[in-house]
Amino acid sequence: QQQVKQSPQSLIVQKGGISIINCAYENTAFDYFPWYQQFPGKGPALLIAIRPDVSEKKEGRFTISFNKSAKQFSLHIMDSQPGDSATYFCAASGQAGTALIFGKGTTLSVSS
Amino acid sequence: NAGVTQTPKFQVLKTGQSMTLQCAQDMNHEYMSWYRQDPGMGLRLIHYSVGAGITDQGEVPNGYNVSRSTTEDFPLRLLSAAPSQTSVYFCASSPTVGTAYGYTFGSGTRLTVV
Repeated sequence: QQQVKQSPQSLIVQKGGISIINCAYENTAFDYFPWYQQFPGKGPALLIAIRPDVSEKKEGRFTISFNKSAKQFSLHIMDSQPGDSATYFCAASGQAGTALIFGKGTTLSVSS
Repeated sequence: NAGVTQTPKFQVLKTGQSMTLQCAQDMNHEYMSWYRQDPGMGLRLIHYSVGAGITDQGEVPNGYNVSRSTTEDFPLRLLSAAPSQTSVYFCASSPTVGTAYGYTFGSGTRLTVV
C-alpha cells in the first residue's frame, strides 16, 4: 500500500516558468511533510517542509501548499531555473519515532 | 564536519557473496536509517534505529541485517547477495526520533549484484 502518491513522474518546464509537483497521502496521522531535492550522484537534501497547522510555506522561490481536508500537498517552484533540474521527492511521517515515507519522485528538467 | 559518510561508493558483488555497507555520522544523531533507491520506486526504508542498541524493520527488510552498537555507526549487512539487491543505498540520520528535523543523507553506495 503506497502511503504517499506523487505526480507527475517527470516534468519539463521552460526557464522562468512555474514547476508544480503534487503529492497525496492516506494516513491522517501524518503530521510532517518535507520535500527533498536530489541531484544525480548525490543523496537527497531537505528543501522545505510544512506541518498541517499551516496551509502554505514559502522559502525563496519554493512554496509548499497544503490542503489538509483533501490530504494533498504540492511544491511550487517559481521562476524555474536550469539549476533546479533534479529529482524531487515528497515525504510524510507521523508521530515521533516513525520513519519518513517517500513518494516515488519527480524528475524535473528546466530547459533554457 | 563530515556529516553522514557512506563507504564504499561503488561495489560489485557476485550472487551469494556477503558484504557490509558502512555508514557513520559525526553529528551525534540518535536516529539513523537505511533506504534503497530504485528507478521509479522512490526511496524505500530497509531498517532504522532510534538509538544505540535499538533497531527495527522498515518496508523492505528481507535479505538485510543491521546493528547499532554505537551512536555513530549503523552498518547494513547483506548476508547472501541476490541480483534483486542491485540498487543505490542511502544512509540517513536525524538529531532525534521526532520528525521536526530533516534527515541528513549520505552520498550513497551503488551496488551491483551479478
